[in-house]
Amino acid sequence: AQKITQTQPGMFVQEKEAVTLDCTYDTSDPSYGLFWYKQPSSGEMIFLIYQGSYDQQNATEGRYSLNFQKARKSANLVISASQLGDSAMYFCAMREGGTNDYKLSFGAGTTVTVRA
Amino acid sequence: DAGVIQSPRHEVTEMGQEVTLRCKPISGHNSLFWYRQTMMRGLELLIYFNNNVPIDDSGMPEDRFSAKMPNASFSTLKIQPSEPRDSAVYFCASSSGLAGRADTQYFGPGTRLTVL
Repeated sequence: AQKITQTQPGMFVQEKEAVTLDCTYDTSDPSYGLFWYKQPSSGEMIFLIYQGSYDQQNATEGRYSLNFQKARKSANLVISASQLGDSAMYFCAMREGGTNDYKLSFGAGTTVTVRA
Repeated sequence: DAGVIQSPRHEVTEMGQEVTLRCKPISGHNSLFWYRQTMMRGLELLIYFNNNVPIDDSGMPEDRFSAKMPNASFSTLKIQPSEPRDSAVYFCASSSGLAGRADTQYFGPGTRLTVL
């Protein structure tokens, strides 16, 4: 079974608008961490934001925020005030606890295109 | 601070040749990861080192692949002999090995390998 599901293969957003990227996860481990990475066309993987399963508040990093709904097992990324430079592929990833707690499970990614 | 450094950034080689990819992790990080990214399979973990010791190499495709980490600041991934199906982007990532957000994996720029 897929541990991370990103159902939106591609999205278009107008510059200066907000965009929400969906991510649902599957785990029975009470301890886990959720990550979002950005991969622009140049290819590098850039860490954006982290949410721990025990964190009481939703994570925020500048224009990025994570809408964490634990009961629904969703960790959606919200990008506010989109910029042309936000055009990229975005990956959601999860690290579970236990003996394999170093492993990241990645989703298939969502391509975001920001229009001027 | 310098991020994860990988070399070369691009490699084009012919089938049967030996390929060596290099990685310098972030200073102070004690966990190192090699990933492969393809359109078909997404991001795959090839091997994980902790304190220079290989912990999990279950993702290494076959005996043609080998990885070493002779010291805390250097790792290599070698493919010998290379085949066209090895064409992919290979990422090196490192993390601190601490808990929670502090254990975020930071990726290098990747090496785009093309085997003709």
